[in-house]
Amino acid sequence: GAGVSQTPSNKVTEKGKYVELRCDPISGHTALYWYRQSLGQGPEFLIYFQGTGAADDSGLPNDRFFAVRPEGSVSTLKIQRTERGDSAVYLCASSSRGWRTDTQYFGPGTRLTVL
Amino acid sequence: QQQVKQSPQSLIVQKGGIPIINCAYENTAFDYFPWYQQFPGKGPALLIAIRPDVSEKKEGRFTISFNKSAKQFSLHIMDSQPGDSATYFCAASIEIQGAQKLVFGQGTRLTINP
Repeated sequence: GAGVSQTPSNKVTEKGKYVELRCDPISGHTALYWYRQSLGQGPEFLIYFQGTGAADDSGLPNDRFFAVRPEGSVSTLKIQRTERGDSAVYLCASSSRGWRTDTQYFGPGTRLTVL
Repeated sequence: QQQVKQSPQSLIVQKGGIPIINCAYENTAFDYFPWYQQFPGKGPALLIAIRPDVSEKKEGRFTISFNKSAKQFSLHIMDSQPGDSATYFCAASIEIQGAQKLVFGQGTRLTINP
C-alpha cells in the first residue's frame, strides 16, 4: 500500500515568508508525528497528533511554528516569518494507533531552504 | 537527560566485515530502543528494535546488544554488504500519552566497500 507522502519535496523561500508543508499519513493511521532533521543530524521531534488533537507540541521551537490536522488524516506544518535557521528537512511519520511499540513510518521529507 | 549519544560519526568497513555502532543514554524513563536506516533522499526506516528487559535481539544479519546497567546499546551488522551503506540512527523512546516520543542519536554514516 501507499506509504507516507509529503509535499512539496523541495521548498525554497525567502526570509520572512510564510510556508506550509503537507503530510499524508498511511490510511487509517491515527498517530502522526513531525520531525525536523538538520544536515548531518538525527531527526528532532516537533509535534505529535493523536487523531485531530495535538497531544504533545513541546518540540515546536517557537510560536512561528504551528501544525494542524483538522480531520485526523492530512496534517499541515505552518511556519511564519521564516528564518535562515529554519532550513532543514521536515519529516512526517505515522503509526497505526500511536502505541509505544508501534512502528513509525516516515515519509521522504520536505527539504526547506530559506534564502 | 533527553540526549542519545551515538558513535562513531562515520565508519568504513570492507564487505563481509562486522560494523558496530554504539549508543548511550541517560534518561532511565526511556523504554524502547529502535534503530533506523536512512538512504539519501529517503526518510528513516525501522530496522530493528529492542525493549530494555532483553539483552540481545537478532533479526537476520542485524543484532542489537543492550546493557541496561550501563545505559548503552549497540547495533552489529553481520556479513555486511555494499547495499548496507546508509546512515544509521539509534533512538530511544519515552511515552507521551501512550505513544512514542523518539529521541534520535546524531547518526552514523556507514560505508561498506566491495
